[in-house]
Amino acid sequence: EPEVTQTPSHQVTQMGQEVILRCVPISNHLYFYWYRQILGQKVEFLVSFYNNEISEKSEIFDDQFSVERPDGSNFTLKIRSTKLEDSAMYFCASSEGTSGGITSTDTQYFGPGTRLTVL
Amino acid sequence: ILNVEQSPQSLHVQEGDSTNFTCSFPSSNFYALHWYRWETAKSPEALFVMTLNGDEKKKGRISATLNTKEGYSYLYIKGSQPEDSATYLCASLSYNTDKLIFGTGTRLQVFP
Repeated sequence: EPEVTQTPSHQVTQMGQEVILRCVPISNHLYFYWYRQILGQKVEFLVSFYNNEISEKSEIFDDQFSVERPDGSNFTLKIRSTKLEDSAMYFCASSEGTSGGITSTDTQYFGPGTRLTVL
Repeated sequence: ILNVEQSPQSLHVQEGDSTNFTCSFPSSNFYALHWYRWETAKSPEALFVMTLNGDEKKKGRISATLNTKEGYSYLYIKGSQPEDSATYLCASLSYNTDKLIFGTGTRLQVFP
Protein backbone atom coordinates (compact mmCIF):
# COMPACT_ATOMS: atom_id res chain seq x y z
CA GLU A 1 0.00 0.00 0.00
CA PRO A 2 1.42 3.45 -0.90
CA GLU A 3 2.63 5.48 2.05
CA VAL A 4 4.16 8.82 2.91
CA THR A 5 7.80 8.56 3.93
CA GLN A 6 9.93 11.04 5.84
CA THR A 7 13.66 11.41 6.40
CA PRO A 8 15.45 11.59 8.72
CA SER A 9 13.49 9.97 11.54
CA HIS A 10 15.43 12.02 14.07
CA GLN A 11 17.44 15.21 13.54
CA VAL A 12 19.52 16.92 16.20
CA THR A 13 20.77 20.42 15.50
CA GLN A 14 22.29 23.42 17.22
CA MET A 15 20.23 26.55 17.75
CA GLY A 16 20.65 28.92 14.82
CA GLN A 17 21.41 26.19 12.30
CA GLU A 18 19.33 25.51 9.20
CA VAL A 19 17.54 22.19 8.85
CA ILE A 20 15.72 20.60 5.94
CA LEU A 21 13.13 17.94 6.62
CA ARG A 22 12.27 15.71 3.71
CA CYS A 23 9.10 13.96 2.70
CA VAL A 24 8.06 11.77 -0.19
CA PRO A 25 4.27 12.04 -0.53
CA ILE A 26 2.11 9.34 -2.13
CA SER A 27 2.91 9.46 -5.83
CA ASN A 28 -0.39 10.52 -7.39
CA HIS A 29 -1.30 13.01 -4.66
CA LEU A 30 -1.49 16.70 -5.43
CA TYR A 31 -1.95 18.33 -2.00
CA PHE A 32 0.82 18.36 0.61
CA TYR A 33 0.94 19.47 4.21
CA TRP A 34 3.25 19.93 7.16
CA TYR A 35 2.09 19.61 10.75
CA ARG A 36 4.03 19.53 13.99
CA GLN A 37 3.51 18.29 17.52
CA ILE A 38 5.45 19.82 20.37
CA LEU A 39 5.82 17.27 23.17
CA GLY A 40 2.67 17.14 25.28
CA GLN A 41 0.70 19.41 22.97
CA LYS A 42 -1.77 18.96 20.11
CA VAL A 43 -0.78 18.27 16.53
CA GLU A 44 -0.89 21.67 14.81
CA PHE A 45 -1.09 22.70 11.18
CA LEU A 46 1.83 24.57 9.63
CA VAL A 47 1.25 24.82 5.90
CA SER A 48 -0.50 23.33 2.88
CA PHE A 49 0.88 23.29 -0.66
CA TYR A 50 -0.89 22.80 -3.97
CA ASN A 51 0.01 23.43 -7.57
CA ASN A 52 3.53 24.48 -6.62
CA GLU A 53 2.54 27.17 -4.21
CA ILE A 54 1.47 27.62 -0.62
CA SER A 55 -2.29 27.23 -0.32
CA GLU A 56 -2.62 28.14 3.34
CA LYS A 57 -0.27 28.75 6.26
CA SER A 58 -0.71 29.15 9.99
CA GLU A 59 0.58 31.97 12.17
CA ILE A 60 3.38 29.61 13.27
CA PHE A 61 4.71 29.46 9.70
CA ASP A 62 6.74 32.67 9.75
CA ASP A 63 9.66 33.81 7.60
CA GLN A 64 11.94 31.22 9.22
CA PHE A 65 9.99 28.46 7.48
CA SER A 66 9.77 27.62 3.80
CA VAL A 67 8.51 24.71 1.74
CA GLU A 68 9.54 23.44 -1.63
CA ARG A 69 8.80 20.70 -4.08
CA PRO A 70 12.23 20.52 -5.73
CA ASP A 71 11.39 17.63 -8.03
CA GLY A 72 8.46 15.37 -8.85
CA SER A 73 8.69 13.33 -5.70
CA ASN A 74 10.09 15.25 -2.73
CA PHE A 75 8.44 17.86 -0.53
CA THR A 76 10.68 19.68 1.93
CA LEU A 77 10.31 21.91 4.96
CA LYS A 78 13.23 24.24 5.68
CA ILE A 79 13.75 26.03 8.96
CA ARG A 80 16.36 28.73 8.36
CA SER A 81 17.60 29.47 11.85
CA THR A 82 16.31 26.97 14.38
CA LYS A 83 15.20 28.00 17.86
CA LEU A 84 14.82 25.86 20.96
CA GLU A 85 11.04 26.10 20.63
CA ASP A 86 11.20 24.49 17.16
CA SER A 87 11.89 21.15 18.86
CA ALA A 88 8.94 18.98 17.91
CA MET A 89 7.78 16.03 15.82
CA TYR A 90 7.19 17.24 12.27
CA PHE A 91 4.67 15.35 10.16
CA CYS A 92 4.24 15.48 6.42
CA ALA A 93 0.89 14.52 4.89
CA SER A 94 -0.55 14.28 1.41
CA SER A 95 -4.02 13.97 -0.10
CA GLU A 96 -5.37 13.28 -3.57
CA GLY A 97 -6.44 16.88 -4.17
CA THR A 98 -8.53 15.87 -7.16
CA SER A 99 -11.19 18.43 -6.29
CA GLY A 100 -8.51 21.02 -6.97
CA GLY A 101 -9.58 23.42 -4.31
CA ILE A 102 -9.38 24.21 -0.66
CA THR A 103 -11.53 22.17 1.75
CA SER A 104 -12.34 18.69 0.62
CA THR A 105 -13.24 15.38 2.19
CA ASP A 106 -10.00 13.83 0.93
CA THR A 107 -8.16 11.79 3.54
CA GLN A 108 -4.85 13.30 4.57
CA TYR A 109 -2.29 10.49 4.78
CA PHE A 110 0.47 11.09 7.28
CA GLY A 111 4.10 10.05 7.35
CA PRO A 112 5.80 8.67 10.49
CA GLY A 113 7.30 12.05 11.39
CA THR A 114 10.76 13.52 11.93
CA ARG A 115 11.69 14.28 15.51
CA LEU A 116 13.63 17.55 15.53
CA THR A 117 15.70 18.34 18.61
CA VAL A 118 17.25 21.80 18.82
CA LEU A 119 20.04 22.14 21.39
CA ILE B 1 -11.03 30.14 17.98
CA LEU B 2 -11.70 26.59 16.87
CA ASN B 3 -11.08 24.11 19.67
CA VAL B 4 -11.38 20.35 19.40
CA GLU B 5 -11.57 18.37 22.63
CA GLN B 6 -11.34 14.65 23.25
CA SER B 7 -12.27 12.64 26.30
CA PRO B 8 -11.14 10.75 28.17
CA GLN B 9 -7.44 11.52 27.91
CA SER B 10 -6.59 7.90 28.56
CA LEU B 11 -8.42 4.64 28.97
CA HIS B 12 -7.39 1.22 30.21
CA VAL B 13 -9.61 -1.73 29.33
CA GLN B 14 -9.44 -5.51 29.44
CA GLU B 15 -9.26 -7.57 26.28
CA GLY B 16 -12.78 -8.26 25.06
CA ASP B 17 -14.30 -5.11 26.58
CA SER B 18 -16.08 -2.68 24.30
CA THR B 19 -15.18 0.95 24.69
CA ASN B 20 -16.00 4.37 23.32
CA PHE B 21 -14.62 7.86 23.45
CA THR B 22 -15.72 11.32 22.46
CA CYS B 23 -14.57 14.11 20.21
CA SER B 24 -16.26 17.51 20.49
CA PHE B 25 -15.82 20.33 18.02
CA PRO B 26 -17.43 23.70 17.24
CA SER B 27 -20.42 23.04 15.01
CA SER B 28 -20.41 26.40 13.24
CA ASN B 29 -18.71 26.36 9.85
CA PHE B 30 -18.11 22.61 10.20
CA TYR B 31 -17.10 20.71 7.06
CA ALA B 32 -15.63 17.32 8.01
CA LEU B 33 -14.31 15.27 10.90
CA HIS B 34 -11.30 12.97 10.57
CA TRP B 35 -10.42 10.09 12.92
CA TYR B 36 -6.89 8.68 13.10
CA ARG B 37 -5.30 5.79 14.97
CA TRP B 38 -1.70 6.48 15.99
CA GLU B 39 0.71 3.92 17.35
CA THR B 40 4.00 5.17 18.74
CA ALA B 41 6.79 5.42 16.15
CA LYS B 42 4.35 4.80 13.29
CA SER B 43 2.38 7.03 10.94
CA PRO B 44 -1.06 8.11 12.13
CA GLU B 45 -3.43 5.80 10.27
CA ALA B 46 -6.56 7.33 8.74
CA LEU B 47 -9.72 5.63 10.00
CA PHE B 48 -12.67 7.74 8.85
CA VAL B 49 -13.64 11.00 7.22
CA MET B 50 -17.18 12.01 8.18
CA THR B 51 -19.24 14.90 6.91
CA LEU B 52 -22.99 14.40 7.25
CA ASN B 53 -25.04 14.76 10.40
CA GLY B 54 -26.06 11.28 11.55
CA ASP B 55 -23.26 9.68 9.54
CA GLU B 56 -22.06 6.32 10.82
CA LYS B 57 -18.94 4.61 9.52
CA LYS B 58 -17.48 1.20 10.28
CA LYS B 59 -14.10 -0.48 9.78
CA GLY B 60 -13.92 -3.95 11.26
CA ARG B 61 -14.59 -3.65 15.00
CA ILE B 62 -14.26 0.13 14.97
CA SER B 63 -17.18 2.41 14.21
CA ALA B 64 -17.89 6.12 14.53
CA THR B 65 -20.93 8.38 14.61
CA LEU B 66 -21.27 12.08 13.90
CA ASN B 67 -23.59 14.78 15.24
CA THR B 68 -22.80 18.03 13.47
CA LYS B 69 -25.63 20.01 15.10
CA GLU B 70 -24.32 19.54 18.62
CA GLY B 71 -20.70 19.14 17.59
CA TYR B 72 -19.59 15.70 18.70
CA SER B 73 -18.45 12.35 17.36
CA TYR B 74 -18.15 9.02 19.14
CA LEU B 75 -15.64 6.31 18.29
CA TYR B 76 -16.57 2.78 19.38
CA ILE B 77 -14.36 -0.28 19.56
CA LYS B 78 -16.17 -3.58 19.97
CA GLY B 79 -14.34 -6.43 21.72
CA SER B 80 -11.05 -4.57 22.25
CA GLN B 81 -7.84 -6.43 21.48
CA PRO B 82 -4.28 -5.63 22.66
CA GLU B 83 -3.43 -4.54 19.11
CA ASP B 84 -6.05 -1.79 19.42
CA SER B 85 -3.76 -0.07 21.93
CA ALA B 86 -2.93 3.30 20.39
CA THR B 87 -3.77 6.98 20.59
CA TYR B 88 -6.97 7.88 18.76
CA LEU B 89 -6.99 11.38 17.32
CA CYS B 90 -9.87 13.35 15.88
CA ALA B 91 -9.45 16.45 13.74
CA SER B 92 -12.03 18.93 12.52
CA LEU B 93 -12.02 20.70 9.18
CA SER B 94 -13.98 23.90 8.56
CA TYR B 95 -15.14 25.49 5.31
CA ASN B 96 -12.60 27.45 3.27
CA THR B 97 -9.55 25.97 4.89
CA ASP B 98 -7.07 23.11 4.46
CA LYS B 99 -6.25 23.13 8.15
CA LEU B 100 -7.10 20.10 10.26
CA ILE B 101 -7.58 21.12 13.90
CA PHE B 102 -6.63 18.23 16.13
CA GLY B 103 -7.78 17.20 19.57
CA THR B 104 -5.32 16.01 22.22
CA GLY B 105 -6.18 12.36 21.56
CA THR B 106 -7.42 9.48 23.69
CA ARG B 107 -4.72 7.02 24.64
CA LEU B 108 -6.17 3.51 24.78
CA GLN B 109 -4.42 0.58 26.44
CA VAL B 110 -5.95 -2.88 26.16
CA PHE B 111 -4.63 -5.44 28.64
CA PRO B 112 -4.67 -9.16 27.79
